[in-house]
Parts: sequence; structure tokens; C-alpha cells
Amino acid sequence: RKEVEQDPGPFNVPEGATVAFNCTYSNSASQSFFWYRQDCRKEPKLLMSVYSSGNEDGRFTAQLNRASQYISLLIRDSKLSDSATYLCVVKDTGRRALTFGSGTRLQVQP
Amino acid sequence: DAMVIQNPRYQVTQFGKPVTLSCSQTLNHNVMYWYQQKSSQAPKLLFHYYDKDFNNEADTPDNFQSRRPNTSFCFLDIRSPGLGDAAMYLCATSRGTGSGANVLTFGAGSRLTVL
Repeated sequence: RKEVEQDPGPFNVPEGATVAFNCTYSNSASQSFFWYRQDCRKEPKLLMSVYSSGNEDGRFTAQLNRASQYISLLIRDSKLSDSATYLCVVKDTGRRALTFGSGTRLQVQP
Repeated sequence: DAMVIQNPRYQVTQFGKPVTLSCSQTLNHNVMYWYQQKSSQAPKLLFHYYDKDFNNEADTPDNFQSRRPNTSFCFLDIRSPGLGDAAMYLCATSRGTGSGANVLTFGAGSRLTVL
């Protein structure tokens, strides 16, 4: 089983739609969680950290479910500019390095 | 304004011809990382430095080496590139301590082609 798993997609949605991605992680001791966005042939950029109580940043909402070991990202009112790959990133207790999922590709269509 | 700078952005080499990729940062971050990313795959950590403390991932091939001569610079050396080493190489930094300790800032990457 991969340490961090994501549905690769692609998720094809119309503008204005709401879309949600999940990411599961295997290590119950994982302590920090992030969503990064990566545009085609570009570097990943931090979208948002994921806090235990859930957090929201504009149209984006992140949730953490420790019992089921997954995190989620909800995007409301999708824009064309949201088209990208969304990477789930996890940091385990006792490890300094972060582990990336292979990403979920989102394509927002006009 | 750029904070993590990688050079070169594109590198073409021949099979077996050594290459060196460089990374510099103006953030004064303690930790520097090298990731390898192939098409449609997750970035894969090769190694990282916490200050001068070098940490090699167990599955990083010996063909890959790294140097960090000072806080600002880090190098990735590929001693004998094979066709399977063609990838995007991403340098990243993080504070390592305090608020936002684990947030990564990436450079734009160096795309390696092996002929």
C-alpha cells in the first residue's frame, strides 16, 4: 500500500461546479498535512495547510479525518484557472521529510 | 524577488556524462531538499540537508550525490546519468523549526533530458 494515495483523475467539471478530492494516508502517526497545487510542467506551490478542525480559504475547504486517515479538499465555484494537479502531502512524526501523493488532476471546462 | 533559484532550467546530457544541478535560496531556510519527479508521478525525495546534516533516502541510487557548501547553496550531482534518470529535479526549502516549519518552497525545477 502506498503511503499517500490519491485518485489520479482527471476530474472534468464545468465552471461553477463544486468538486472534492480525497487523499488517504497509511501512517496513523502522521502529524502534518498539506495540499499543494502543481500546474503542468511547473513546480508545486502550497495551496493550504490542513488543520485538525478543518479550515477554509476562500473557495477552498480542507478537512482532516484522523479516524479514517484521510484528508479532503473541496473547491466551490470552480474557475478555469483552478485546472491543475492537486498534490496531497503528509509529514510523519519522527521524519523530517514530507511524502507526496501522485496527485489528482482537475480540468475545469467552460 | 525569486526565492529558490535552480540552474539550469533545462539540461541535456549524453548517457553516462555527469551533470550538476544547482539550487540557491534567499530565504535563509535551514532545510534544503532534492526531489525527482517523473511525468504523472509524485515528487520522490532523493535527500535533504538540515543545516549541514545530510540525510539520504534509503532507495536513492548511489549515482546521485549532493553537496551543500553553505546555507544558501545546494548541488545535485548525477555521476553517470542513465535514460531512466530523465526527469524534473525539484529543489525545495523549509524553515525546519517554528511557525510553518514544514512548508516547502520549491524552485522552478531543472528538467533533465538524457540522450
